Amino acid sequence: NAGVTQTPKFQVLKTGQSMTLQCAQDMNHNSMYWYRQDPGMGLRLIYYSASEGTTDKGEVPNGYNVSRLNKREFSLRLESAAPSQTSVYFCASSEAFGQGGYGYTFGSGTRLTVV
Amino acid sequence: QKEVEQDPGPLSVPEGAIVSLNCTYSNSAFQYFMWYRQYSRKGPELLMYTYSSGNKEDGRFTAQVDKSSKYISLFIRDSQPSDSATYLCAMGGGPGNTGKLIFGQGTTLQVKP
Repeated sequence: NAGVTQTPKFQVLKTGQSMTLQCAQDMNHNSMYWYRQDPGMGLRLIYYSASEGTTDKGEVPNGYNVSRLNKREFSLRLESAAPSQTSVYFCASSEAFGQGGYGYTFGSGTRLTVV
Repeated sequence: QKEVEQDPGPLSVPEGAIVSLNCTYSNSAFQYFMWYRQYSRKGPELLMYTYSSGNKEDGRFTAQVDKSSKYISLFIRDSQPSDSATYLCAMGGGPGNTGKLIFGQGTTLQVKP
């Protein structure tokens, strides 16, 4: 089925460990995004990539890096995990609506716990 | 002050009730207004999309945008237990139009049989 695929679905890390969250979309979308979702905070943008070869910081980029490997794939890396990065991470990709609007397709999320 | 404000609830209603969900925002440049539905332990899915002001109806769902008041609403008629989910408003657009969306905190809705 077409959509956004995230791996892994669950992960437990120790403080200071590193890991990469993978995201791939097969809808030929140009733009991709990484969000984190925390109780009472809604979805907050970490990084986004408007097109292949470009990345930009969002609202909460500290402690994260990203790579837009190609048009399909957009990875999120935690270099030294901290308990404050315990969250649910969502990858999304977007197409343009009519009149220039964008609608997102989300992956199913990665539940990350840092102990 | 957050750019988008949404009452987190939780909101509990009996089956068949009319539900009203709301968001306010501060950025008058927003042009695209969306509602996403998120079931427990799932990713959000696009429910409704509205460009600029006005109403849009899709089955039991109606989205309203009032740009003069910076206020958007989602109405659910004849609510069903299957409507139990978290509803997130999202908006974006304006100068630059990079495609970024700003999300509200989400309102958790429970529809009781």
